[in-house]
Amino acid sequence: KFVLTQPHSVSESPGKTVTISCTRSSGSIGSHYVQWYQQRPGSAPTTVIYEDFRRPSGVPDRFSGSIDSSSNSASLTISGLKTEDEADYFCQSYDSSDQVFGGGTKVTVL
Amino acid sequence: QVQLVESGGGVVQPGRSQRLSCAASGFTFSSHTMHWVRQAPGKGLEWVAVISYDGSNEYYADSVKGRFTISRDNSKNTVYLQMNSLRAEDTAVYYCARDFGDNVGFDYWGQGTLVTVSS
Repeated sequence: KFVLTQPHSVSESPGKTVTISCTRSSGSIGSHYVQWYQQRPGSAPTTVIYEDFRRPSGVPDRFSGSIDSSSNSASLTISGLKTEDEADYFCQSYDSSDQVFGGGTKVTVL
Repeated sequence: QVQLVESGGGVVQPGRSQRLSCAASGFTFSSHTMHWVRQAPGKGLEWVAVISYDGSNEYYADSVKGRFTISRDNSKNTVYLQMNSLRAEDTAVYYCARDFGDNVGFDYWGQGTLVTVSS
């Protein structure tokens, strides 16, 4: 079984850009889709990116996802940061029958 | 609109059982794979179990295998999680989530139900 590793926290000022990495420990990052979930305090998770880079309807285009095979990692980039983006973000992928989440990254908007 | 509403949480003693339900609406329930995901207080997300659209396949996290059972009733648009031999470490908010593919990932989540295992 593989592990997805995320930074514990990132912080940036409103209007700036943050990028959160999600590194897969074994197996190719490109072999199975990566999803990203936003969880605001006291709320259930919501999906912000699915199938590596696709945005569900209603998610602003300030959110983007990408894959980097050279580092075996996925990334979530949030541009034009807003205070409402302050939340925990989790990456997720799968392998055969197992689903795996990253440990989560707390995004603080200073 | 898609809605997933969990119920059945509460305080339960170690070693006892609890059954969670998740009522779905706003989509063709019988066409979707469904999951349970949990989150211990102050911790991250942990996948628990998955059941295929027709109930023919089920898979479990190692931490719950042999103790938890996922099932579904497509006539009632409901997915269940039967939890037996509960332990303190099972204390968590349990979320029901819809899969957007075939055991790929989650597109809609319920609001969660809290299970506290304590004597």
